[in-house]
Amino acid sequence: EAGVAQSPRYKIIEKRQSVAFWCNPISGHATLYWYQQILGQGPKLLIQFQNNGVVDDSQLPKDRFSAERLKGVDSTLKIQPAKLEDSAVYLCASSLGRPWDGNQPQHFGDGTRLSIL
Amino acid sequence: GENVEQHPSTLSVQEGDSAVIKCTYSDSASNYFPWYKQELGKGPQLIIDIRSNVGEKKDQRIAVTLNKTAKHFSLHITETQPEDSAVYFCAASIRTGFQKLVFGTGTRLLVSP
Repeated sequence: EAGVAQSPRYKIIEKRQSVAFWCNPISGHATLYWYQQILGQGPKLLIQFQNNGVVDDSQLPKDRFSAERLKGVDSTLKIQPAKLEDSAVYLCASSLGRPWDGNQPQHFGDGTRLSIL
Repeated sequence: GENVEQHPSTLSVQEGDSAVIKCTYSDSASNYFPWYKQELGKGPQLIIDIRSNVGEKKDQRIAVTLNKTAKHFSLHITETQPEDSAVYFCAASIRTGFQKLVFGTGTRLLVSP
């Protein structure tokens, strides 16, 4: 079974520029998550999709971050404009997400490491 | 909101020793507790998980225990090997319609040969 695919692996931009990250979840996984992991900390949830609908974006800085999952499979996360404090690893995860199954394991990609100059 | 505390932040052991990492959570409604291992440059990898209706779960050298009354859970690694060196994260799930995980701050485990 192929894992969660993310690209690019690394990105370096200057502050106030824009950047986009791409995620392809495990086949058949209905739930997709974007996390931000700042160096030395645990992942923090930014946004959660169930199929192509947003179910939780309470911690997404909506003035600069946006995300979409138009066809219920791949997803993109965008930052515009970037700030210095956005330097972090952006992780994508997916799970089966069938509500009747209770809690399902989340499987992570290797992330995109973003550096803001 | 849910808060997950994890201790210790760093742990150094000799190869063959046991390692124990402890986490506490604040939301009594939490019902799913996964543990992840993260190696340098990689994403977190699920190594074991436990649900609230179970007190202990074991998978070869790894075990997790859960005390719902005290709201804490622990990861136990026996017969540690150098390849166990990594950062370990605990997490607790809160149900707000759909599963949401809150992560601890991580434990850096170093196993010396």
